[in-house]
Amino acid sequence: DIQMTQSPSSLSASVGDRVTITCRASQRISGYLNWYQQKAGKAPKLLIYGASNLQSGVPSRFSGSGSGTDFSLTISSLQPEDFATYYCQHSYSTPYTFGQGTNLEIK
Amino acid sequence: DVQLVETGGGLIQPGGSLRLSCAVSGFSVTSSYMTWVRQAPGQGLEWLSIIYGGGGTDHADAVKGRFTISRDNSKNIVYLQMNSLRAEDTAVYYCARSGYNSGWYPFDEWGQGTQVIVSS
Repeated sequence: DIQMTQSPSSLSASVGDRVTITCRASQRISGYLNWYQQKAGKAPKLLIYGASNLQSGVPSRFSGSGSGTDFSLTISSLQPEDFATYYCQHSYSTPYTFGQGTNLEIK
Repeated sequence: DVQLVETGGGLIQPGGSLRLSCAVSGFSVTSSYMTWVRQAPGQGLEWLSIIYGGGGTDHADAVKGRFTISRDNSKNIVYLQMNSLRAEDTAVYYCARSGYNSGWYPFDEWGQGTQVIVSS
């Protein structure tokens, strides 16, 4: 099985900050990497698919990059509504494992 | 509009069975892959099962042999039959769509989730 390791596990930042979350796969997954945002008590929401493609309706301050085993999600200027938990997930082959999550908190 | 609505969760004793349903509107369940994902209290997301457009299925090792994904094409519903339930199966269960208009197979639409509690 492919393991996904996210870092950091938690992050404190302020409105307007630029933040980056990284995700590493235990083997090469080409661009089969997706990012989700989850707020408390809600279902996850797709932000980025195929490593760098912005899902329709998602603000352009979100961006993704990477290929192979190393990937990142960047939020260029944090907004109040961005404080949430973020997960990476690979869709290269089953089982489609998720990273452990990054809890983004207000500083 | 696309909508996924899960039902069937509840309180069940260890060793019992439950069948979760995911009623889909806005697209056909045969036109994409459909998956189940769960989230234990305070924990991360765990992929469980997938049913492909052609009807083939796959399951995570943690639930293989106990859980079965299926669908009713005429009703546009996806099911998750859960047998031999354990305390560690306590979680919110989500259904999600995958592989619709994208060869990267992201989970682009999700239901609201249904809570399953396994306890005596």
